[in-house]
Amino acid sequence: KAGVTQTPRYLIKTRGQQVTLSCSPISGHRSVSWYQQTPGQGLQFLFEYFSETQRNKGNFPGRFSGRQFSNSRSEMNVSTLELGDSALYLCASSLEPQGARGTDTQYFGPGTRLTVL
Amino acid sequence: DAKTTQPPSMDCAEGRAANLPCNHSTISGNEYVYWYRQIHSQGPQYIIHGLKNNETNEMASLIITEDRKSSTLILPHATLRDTAVYYCIVRVYITGANNLFFGTGTRLTVIP
Repeated sequence: KAGVTQTPRYLIKTRGQQVTLSCSPISGHRSVSWYQQTPGQGLQFLFEYFSETQRNKGNFPGRFSGRQFSNSRSEMNVSTLELGDSALYLCASSLEPQGARGTDTQYFGPGTRLTVL
Repeated sequence: DAKTTQPPSMDCAEGRAANLPCNHSTISGNEYVYWYRQIHSQGPQYIIHGLKNNETNEMASLIITEDRKSSTLILPHATLRDTAVYYCIVRVYITGANNLFFGTGTRLTVIP
């Protein structure tokens, strides 16, 4: 079974631009979560989607948004990019939403490395 | 989530067992112990998880002490490809706010 895929793998943008990242979960997985990883802050939770609805959100500004489609694929968008948004953005999928004991183990994709100049 | 404490780094000889400890002294009865690893610049890879019984899969074994205040991840025959940062995560199952919270992990270096 194919794993979680993320596109693009690498992206370079300039301050003020916006960016859209894409994630395709493992086939059959309906929950998608997004994380940001930076050397200074480590791996931080952004948001979780299940059945096209945002279930949970981390402590990030409104410039960070996401959505999920009916086929469970998900996108996240960052508007008005800042230098501090440079990071590895990770997507993780699970069968069920977080909290569904036993079926919510998250499997991560390879990430999209975003560099903001 | 309960906090975890891991040594920042460890070395292990290739072919030997790697034993990675994790302290989670404030763990509650309904909190699971999860282990992930991350090889440089790749996404975290799920290894194993457990509640109170020892667990084993094709990758590793997880030993949880009887009082559940600590656990050990065991890679039985470490290879060079096991060099990575290993994260021990304790998470409680409550609706709506229980996504993974990664700490700083243990950087395992497997030495030839």
